[in-house]
Amino acid sequence: NAGVTQTPKFRVLKTGQSMTLLCAQDMNHEYMYWYRQDPGMGLRLIHYSVGEGTTAKGEVPDGYNVSRLKKQNFLLGLESAAPSQTSVYFCASRKQTDTEAFFGQGTRLTVV
Amino acid sequence: RKEVEQDPGPFNVPEGATVAFNCTYSNSASQSFFWYRQDCRKEPKLLMSVYSSGNEDGRFTAQLNRASQYISLLIRDSKLSDSATYLCVVNRYTNAGKSTFGDGTTLTVKP
Repeated sequence: NAGVTQTPKFRVLKTGQSMTLLCAQDMNHEYMYWYRQDPGMGLRLIHYSVGEGTTAKGEVPDGYNVSRLKKQNFLLGLESAAPSQTSVYFCASRKQTDTEAFFGQGTRLTVV
Repeated sequence: RKEVEQDPGPFNVPEGATVAFNCTYSNSASQSFFWYRQDCRKEPKLLMSVYSSGNEDGRFTAQLNRASQYISLLIRDSKLSDSATYLCVVNRYTNAGKSTFGDGTTLTVKP
């Protein structure tokens, strides 16, 4: 079972470049989330989705956009990368609001 | 004040020791609670849910005190493999299931 798959796993960007991170889940989950984790800190919510075609802002949405055109995919876009966006990005999904969240393996992004 | 606060650690204990972590949450509307484990440079994984009546899974015991708004995790007979960061997680159903994570407590179990 694949669960939650993130691509790519590593990426180095130059300041100002754009990229899209893909999250795919095969568990038919309604809820999907994008987090970032910086050294020594907990996970901070960037954006989330409660179902296909819906997205909403989380705690730290600035500089990011998302789309959920298909239920199984949740895309995170950086339009103009900045060094402050150097982080580890985790995608997660859950079936219901009170159930376990399953995480992807993370994307390590460095912006130089 | 952060919505979820954990003991900062790190905790360094010998094998076989018993160690306890505490976590406090500030939003009384919080409704579900979890402990996740995160190994270095890996994704968080569910360790156990936390129920009002308390629950146990092998060497791990989780307790919830709604009146005082804290959650605890007790690890008995620590193993080297227990070395990891433990994340306290709090959910509110009315909040689209958005989880609020503590910053984590790092445990190192030494031989």
